[in-house]
Amino acid sequence: KQEVTQIPAALSVPEGENLVLNCSFTDSAIYNLQWFRQDPGKGLTSLLLIQSSQREQTSGRLNASLDKSSGRSTLYIAASQPGDSATYLCAVRPDAGNNRKLIWGLGTSLAVNP
Amino acid sequence: ETGVTQTPRHLVMGMTNKKSLKCEQHLGHNAMYWYKQSAKKPLELMFVYSLEERVENNSVPSRFSPECPNSSHLFLHLHTLQPEDSALYLCASSHQAGTSEKLFFGSGTQLSVL
Repeated sequence: KQEVTQIPAALSVPEGENLVLNCSFTDSAIYNLQWFRQDPGKGLTSLLLIQSSQREQTSGRLNASLDKSSGRSTLYIAASQPGDSATYLCAVRPDAGNNRKLIWGLGTSLAVNP
Repeated sequence: ETGVTQTPRHLVMGMTNKKSLKCEQHLGHNAMYWYKQSAKKPLELMFVYSLEERVENNSVPSRFSPECPNSSHLFLHLHTLQPEDSALYLCASSHQAGTSEKLFFGSGTQLSVL
């Protein structure tokens, strides 16, 4: 059974730091992996989607990597800003089935302090 | 208006009430989803509609009844809910086909059942 774990659960850093958020999954047979951002009381915003055949995706100051063999993905945030404060969730899609079911982590709550 | 819109943003209801949550997407997507987000739990997929046909019903109690009249609209009808149903209910949409299947979420309905 696929399980997704995100460590740490919470992280507080000063503005300007480069930081790494971790996501691990127990079954390496995945279809894709997505990283999302959620602001308090709001919906989720998709940040990056990595297909199983890809190793990384980049968008602006964000870079997500995928290592299926070790069951890990990292989200790298460069030069963090207070506006990056949010909860970051990763989700794994196990297969190409029509139900689009994703397995979610609990998220890492990030606070970037001015 | 663009994106995924959910109404109402907040809802308080008694256990004997009947209410409905509404979701509308303006992205031309043909798959829509209902998720439940409770504190300290991973997101739970409730229902998936693909091309207006329900393709997933994730063991959700019958007091939750989805309706998808067309590819742009999704409803969640609620009746005789329990206090443990209090949560943030999120609607999402995506393209049904192809590998680019990022999920786009609405801002959610924060539901409190008294």
